[in-house]
Amino acid sequence: EPEVTQTPSHQVTQMGQEVILRCVPISNHLYFYWYRQILGQKVEFLVSFYNNEISEKSEIFDDQFSVERPDGSNFTLKIRSTKLEDSAMYFCASAGTGEQPQHFGDGTRLSIL
Amino acid sequence: SQQGEEDPQALSIQEGENATMNCSYKTSINNLQWYRQNSGRGLVHLILIRSNEREKHSGRLRVTLDTSKKSSSLLITASRAADTASYFCATDAYNNNDMRFGAGTRLTVKP
Repeated sequence: EPEVTQTPSHQVTQMGQEVILRCVPISNHLYFYWYRQILGQKVEFLVSFYNNEISEKSEIFDDQFSVERPDGSNFTLKIRSTKLEDSAMYFCASAGTGEQPQHFGDGTRLSIL
Repeated sequence: SQQGEEDPQALSIQEGENATMNCSYKTSINNLQWYRQNSGRGLVHLILIRSNEREKHSGRLRVTLDTSKKSSSLLITASRAADTASYFCATDAYNNNDMRFGAGTRLTVKP
């Protein structure tokens, strides 16, 4: 069964550095999402992306965050200047339509030192 | 916020017993989904139930939805040790497709 893949599985970065988290959604999916889960807390929506633009974003997704679909297969989340509180699991998800179930990757654990 | 809230927060049962988890939400929804998460892993989609549906089954899973009470339940029958995981409900409202997750129920099934 096709799946969403995320790389790296674990990223350790110094505070203030830029980080790019990568996702390869399921190939025929059109809707893409990023979520984060701080350790021990609930999964939080960050952003949804469709037709090469952001369709929804949460209050967490501030100017430090950006998303891109650079080449038709990858979907990336960039954090420009990381903060300690950005440490979390980041999950990418994709769906065929806006009403179909979202399929999640296994996540990237981001640790900010 | 339309996010779901699950209860109980934690549930511990013996293998073979049934497990029931509940979810409540606050605003009108388009659909409600249940996900499972093994420790340190991604979320696995279990069932999607639309706002005009009342019950859905998938194998040992049964989901109900009561839109008048803004609540849903997930029943796992004949539980197995491998069902040990956290279970989350997630809702999305009309005209947007960002899902809001609850804090989850941590299910432990003892062999």
